[in-house]
Formats: sequence, C-alpha cells, structure tokens
Amino acid sequence: AQSVAQPEDQVNVAEGNPLTVKCTYSVSGNPYLFWYVQYPNRGLQFLLKYITGDNLVKGSYGFEAEFNKSQTSFHLKKPSALVSDSALYFCAVRGPYGNNRLAFGKGNQVVVIP
Amino acid sequence: NAGVMQNPRHLVRRRGQEARLRCSPMKGHSHVYWYRQLPEEGLKFMVYLQKENIIDESGMPKERFSAEFPKEGPSILRIQQVVRGDSAAYFCASSPLGQGTNTGELFFGEGSRLTVL
Repeated sequence: AQSVAQPEDQVNVAEGNPLTVKCTYSVSGNPYLFWYVQYPNRGLQFLLKYITGDNLVKGSYGFEAEFNKSQTSFHLKKPSALVSDSALYFCAVRGPYGNNRLAFGKGNQVVVIP
Repeated sequence: NAGVMQNPRHLVRRRGQEARLRCSPMKGHSHVYWYRQLPEEGLKFMVYLQKENIIDESGMPKERFSAEFPKEGPSILRIQQVVRGDSAAYFCASSPLGQGTNTGELFFGEGSRLTVL
C-alpha cells in the first residue's frame, strides 16, 4: 500500500530564511508525488507534482521540490519564506497502477516568524 | 470555471441524526473522491466514484456511511445515525482522469465541516 511520512509536526522558520518541509514515501513502482497547501478553514490547493523527468520540480508561489529516488524523498523547499506561507502542507503519493486516489501524509504546520 | 463546490460548508447535527454532504465536481470532471480530515490525522481517503459507479470504497466505514454519484446531480456522502466521532471536515476532490491513465492532480473543494453534538 502506498503511504507518506511527514516526520515533523511543525516547522518554524524566520521570514526570509529558507524553508524545507520533509516528505518520504512508500509505493510500489514509480511514484507520482504531490504537494498541497491548506490555509485555515479552506480546502487544499495544489502546489506542484512530480510524475517523471527532471528531479527538481518548480511549482506555485516560488515553491520547488526535489525527487530523490534512492532516499524515497520529495522534500518541499522555498529559498526565502514569507509570513503568508504560514499554512498546513501535505505531501501525497500514488503509484502508477490502479486508480487515482492519493495517500496523504498527516501534514506539517509551517509557521513563518516575522 | 467554477471549482469543486461543496455544501453545506458547516453542518451541525445531534447524535442519531443523518448528515448529507454534497459535492459538485469541476466542469468536465467525472471522477469524485471523498476524504475525511481529523485534527492531527491528516486526510484519510474514503471513497472514489465515477458517474453511477463506486470504484473504490476501501476507506469507508462498514456501517452508517454511504456515497453515491448519480447520473444527474452532485455526489452525496451520507452518514446515518451520526456519533460524536463523526465530527470532522469532509473534503471532496475531482479529476478529469480515469483509472489506469496518467495522473493529474486532484482539485479540492472547500470542505464541509460536520459537528455532532
């Protein structure tokens, strides 16, 4: 079964500093990987995805993520965090077979300190 | 284009009552997914439906929960005889892609927040 681990409950970072949110996955076959962001009392918004090709994926709002097959990781990064980046971030995975349902991690709360 | 529409946004029920949550997918999407979000537990998959078919209900509780996606109208997640443990945010997502195809992202609604008193 596919699964995702987001090991940190909360990530605190000062505004302007680099932001990293960690994600490791487990899936049979080549993974399809996603990052979503959730603001309070809102739905999930898509940030970026990795399907195939370049291991470094660029997404919305200046975010990027790097697929590392040997470490089964897909960490989310932003070079310079903004206060408005404070939100809940979810990593998700699915395998190449079967239906399109995604398995989500438990989420990481990111707090950007002014 | 309108996004995924869910209603009601907030629903309060007493124990033993029924809750009905509705989801209209994005225009052109014929695949609907329901997820439940509990505090500090992330999103848990419940059910995946296409028009008039349940494709994967492996995440649905065996009792009291049901889902449908009729030929006409929205998808409905129905919870009978609600209990306090059913209090959660229920999210619907849709996609235009079908089983076995290359994946695209899921598009999520704003969620329906159920409170059981």
